[in-house]
Amino acid sequence: AQKITQTQPGMFVQEKEAVTLDCTYDTSDPSYGLFWYKQPSSGEMIFLIYQGSYDQQNATEGRYSLNFQKARKSANLVISASQLGDSAMYFCAMREVDNDMRFGAGTRLTVKP
Amino acid sequence: DARVTQTPRHKVTEMGQEVTMRCQPILGHNTVFWYRQTMMQGLELLAYFRNRAPLDDSGMPKDRFSAEMPDATLATLKIQPSEPRDSAVYFCASGYANTEAFFGQGTRLTVV
Repeated sequence: AQKITQTQPGMFVQEKEAVTLDCTYDTSDPSYGLFWYKQPSSGEMIFLIYQGSYDQQNATEGRYSLNFQKARKSANLVISASQLGDSAMYFCAMREVDNDMRFGAGTRLTVKP
Repeated sequence: DARVTQTPRHKVTEMGQEVTMRCQPILGHNTVFWYRQTMMQGLELLAYFRNRAPLDDSGMPKDRFSAEMPDATLATLKIQPSEPRDSAVYFCASGYANTEAFFGQGTRLTVV
């Protein structure tokens, strides 16, 4: 069974600094996808970034990058140059091939001015 | 601008009433998910469809919840009878197999 763990209930970061949100996962399937979503206070779920288990390079999307360490089964999200608008809940998710998508408990990020 | 559409956005109902939530997935997407979000339980998967066939509804209380896809443009989640503990935000999401899912804005359900 899929299991996704986010150990940081809350994180603080100073505006313009970088922050890393942790995510570890557990699967016996060699083929899977890892995802990060952002949920601002408005409640919508916004897809940020995707990493496939066979991808050789870490995924990047603008200020977001995914630090993928396959052997350690970790998929940490790095946000560079934090902005006030980055304050939100962040969810890590995993999807095994032909399977559903499961989410971690989330990390609440607060960006301080 | 393609998006997942959920209706209603808000629903307040009395305990014991039937609740139906609707979702229009993005055209062409072949997978649909239903999630429930609460403060205590986080994001729970209720149901998962691929090509309109239910593949996983193990997270759904079978005695009162049901999920269907009568056609490719409509997914429904029904609760009958509703209970106060069903109060939550219900999300529908759609995507292609093995890729990211795009979420609707959710239905905020309050059962009093």
